[in-house]
Amino acid sequence: NAGVTQTPKFQVLKTGQSMTLQCAQDMNHNSMYWYRQDPGMGLRLIYYSASEGTTDKGEVPNGYNVSRLNKREFSLRLESAAPSQTSVYFCASSEQWGAKNIQYFGAGTRLSVL
Amino acid sequence: DAKTTQPPSMDCAEGRAANLPCNHSTISGNEYVYWYRQIHSQGPQYIIHGLKNNETNEMASLIITEDRKSSTLILPHATLRDTAVYYCIVKAGGGADGLTFGKGTHLIIQP
Repeated sequence: NAGVTQTPKFQVLKTGQSMTLQCAQDMNHNSMYWYRQDPGMGLRLIYYSASEGTTDKGEVPNGYNVSRLNKREFSLRLESAAPSQTSVYFCASSEQWGAKNIQYFGAGTRLSVL
Repeated sequence: DAKTTQPPSMDCAEGRAANLPCNHSTISGNEYVYWYRQIHSQGPQYIIHGLKNNETNEMASLIITEDRKSSTLILPHATLRDTAVYYCIVKAGGGADGLTFGKGTHLIIQP
């Protein structure tokens, strides 16, 4: 049972380059999320997708775009990478049973922008 | 979502119970208390959640005060593998929006 899979695990970019971070879940969850985590800080929400076909901005969406490709996959794109986007990126998916919303996280993508 | 306050760090001896406090004095009636932990740069892991009753599962127990303004996560027999950052998060029930993480408590289990 793979859970939430993120690729790549590590990436180094030059300022201005673009890239797409991939995320896939095999738990049949409706909702998916992208967070970033800077050193010594908690995670901050970038974008989320409540269900297939919908996406919404989180706390720090500037500089990013997302695509909910299908129920399983949710990608995060950096069109023109900046050093301020150096961070660890986590994807998550959630099950929702009534009032319960439990999120399951991937292992993260460590991105450095030079 | 209501704001939470946690101590930045705590130590606990291996084999003892680890008690992690969380203050959420502005919690609303429809907000749940969730606990997650993050072991050394891995993705966060769900531990437990509750509304007003005490909860227990295979990982931990959650004690919520009667006025719901604070809670305590209890790891009954801490091991070295429990060393992690523990996040207390308050979130309204239902809804698919994301979680709001603070800085959490860095729990260090001492051998």
